[in-house]
Amino acid sequence: DGGITQSPKYLFRKEGQNVTLSCEQNLNHDAMYWYRQDPGQGLRLIYYSQIVNDFQKGDIAEGYSVSREKKESFPLTVTSAQKNPTAFYLCASRVAGGAETQYFGPGTRLLVL
Amino acid sequence: AQSVTQLGSHVSVSEGALVLLRCNYSSSVPPYLFWYVQYPNQGLQLLLKYTTGATLVKGINGFEAEFKKSETSFHLTKPSAHMSDAAEYFCAVSEGNAGNMLTFGGGTRLMVKP
Repeated sequence: DGGITQSPKYLFRKEGQNVTLSCEQNLNHDAMYWYRQDPGQGLRLIYYSQIVNDFQKGDIAEGYSVSREKKESFPLTVTSAQKNPTAFYLCASRVAGGAETQYFGPGTRLLVL
Repeated sequence: AQSVTQLGSHVSVSEGALVLLRCNYSSSVPPYLFWYVQYPNQGLQLLLKYTTGATLVKGINGFEAEFKKSETSFHLTKPSAHMSDAAEYFCAVSEGNAGNMLTFGGGTRLMVKP
């Protein structure tokens, strides 16, 4: 089955700790995206990557970092600099092309202890 | 810059009634428009999208939306609500740039009363 997987489903972070959220896709999609979802605010773009070894900041990149070493994988690290990390994090991917649809993974909920 | 406004953060309808979820957008170029649905603690699923051509777009689960350029709107409708339609709905716009960034509205939570 082709799709996007995100792990873990729930993640707990302690003060001062960096945590990494996994996103893997086997759809052979070129571009991958990370969004943060807070209640009543829709989705906001954190980072995106159109090709391997290249990525760009989105609207709310501060306190986050990413890597894109493989086409299939786009992990997101929430650093200790992110002071309000509690949110639902969604990964998406798509093929190249302006009108192409973004497909979403099931999400990871990050909570602060 | 593009933006999306969804009127009504919560909409309640009775089962069998018409569903109308409103979406207005601003864009400097002809946009691509999307509606997604999200069930609790899940990712987003595409309902339908408009790119070019016919302005009335049909999607999954009996939903449809009409692109009205003069009104900069892309409202989502379904003739008869079902209990399983209860979810959060997001309208999104893309200007088709190289990154195909989507800008999302704030979402509308649809509640269906028996």
